[in-house]
Amino acid sequence: SQQGEEDPQALSIQEGENATMNCSYKTSINNLQWYRQNSGRGLVHLILIRSNEREKHSGRLRVTLDTSKKSSSLLITASRAADTASYFCATDERYNFNKFYFGSGTKLNVKP
Amino acid sequence: DTEVTQTPKHLVMGMTNKKSLKCEQHMGHRAMYWYKQKAKKPPELMFVYSYEKLSINESVPSRFSPECPNSSLLNLHLHALQPEDSALYLCASSLAPLPQPGVFGEGSRLTVL
Repeated sequence: SQQGEEDPQALSIQEGENATMNCSYKTSINNLQWYRQNSGRGLVHLILIRSNEREKHSGRLRVTLDTSKKSSSLLITASRAADTASYFCATDERYNFNKFYFGSGTKLNVKP
Repeated sequence: DTEVTQTPKHLVMGMTNKKSLKCEQHMGHRAMYWYKQKAKKPPELMFVYSYEKLSINESVPSRFSPECPNSSLLNLHLHALQPEDSALYLCASSLAPLPQPGVFGEGSRLTVL
């Protein structure tokens, strides 16, 4: 299975601190995406990074990708209580980018 | 319109019922997906439609039957479900065929009694 593993499974920080989540996957990919999910709601796309990219920024988000280690990290800087959610990475298959799988997720709690 | 709309938001059904979940998007996306998500677990891929044709079926039991009547609509027909099928069912779409972000609906929460 391509499904990735994320760590930590849960992360609790104070507002204003940075949060780092990691994702590892098993096989070659075309791209990796990060999503956020508030409890019981739909998923919101955060950022997509292609296999030939190493780093990408979007607002307070920074994503890195290391294809040699088959891993990615998501950094949220200056966290806010509204960032409290579950965060999932999703990877596709090298020859089938319409087929993407989610990692196990990190549950982030940002305390005000 | 940048949304994926799913109906109903909540559905309770018995094991002998037949019901359907509906998903609609008007973004011109040609790939549409069904995912199943159990509590505290990641979404699991069920089906992928590409240009209205079923391209991926992740060995889903036949009591789940997908249908894509046109490029904007995706249905999931449910029949003879089991209590363990209770979950949040998420629909998503993306711009095919290039790798693009998926846009997800809010989901339909299904309870099978």
